Amino acid sequence: QQPVQSPQAVILREGEDAVINCSSSKALYSVHWYRQKHGEAPVFLMILLKGGEQKGHEKISASFNEKKQQSSLYLTASQLSYSGTYFCGTEIGGGSQGNLIFGKGTKLSVKP
Amino acid sequence: EAQVTQNPRYLITVTGKKLTVTCSQNMNHEYMSWYRQDPGLGLRQIYYSMNVEVTDKGDVPEGYKVSRKEKRNFPLILESPSPNQTSLYFCASSPAGRVRAQYFGPGTRLTVL
Repeated sequence: QQPVQSPQAVILREGEDAVINCSSSKALYSVHWYRQKHGEAPVFLMILLKGGEQKGHEKISASFNEKKQQSSLYLTASQLSYSGTYFCGTEIGGGSQGNLIFGKGTKLSVKP
Repeated sequence: EAQVTQNPRYLITVTGKKLTVTCSQNMNHEYMSWYRQDPGLGLRQIYYSMNVEVTDKGDVPEGYKVSRKEKRNFPLILESPSPNQTSLYFCASSPAGRVRAQYFGPGTRLTVL
């Protein structure tokens, strides 16, 4: 089942902060975060694993609440380059390793 | 340069004419996937493969076939394309292990008339 992302869209001024949420109805092995700029492929930002391990972008942080199957992506002191659509992807793991289900995306626009 | 390549990048075809979109990666990744992206629906996984000769259905496999005969290649086959398969298609690869970050190809825009 597709994870639910919120908000659907957000507009920021440079320097402002934003939080993007991702919620699943299933127990998760991992949560991925990707950013896609217009006309380009999605680019990996971060992965959060069951058990607390995280790997990803130095300037972006995220959290993963395993009990609630929720993840949040924190974008602080936003820059113009942060604009794009952010997708979370959820992986249940086990026998479904490799089956990644993405949310519908959150469109972030950063204005000067 | 580590990359995932897809060909063709753009394709316009007609209903029922079989086509293949190729995908190749040079990172020696075990996992490969195909996604389609449609406005408002996000990325939806079509098929994925955990290794050579091991494939499984994603969320929207109907009307598609895949094969994984070599580790680096994962072609997507549309045996009889229909207009509802008009979409933007992405191939992705990821390593095995716990951190399965996906690396996406540039995308193939397919139009079926």
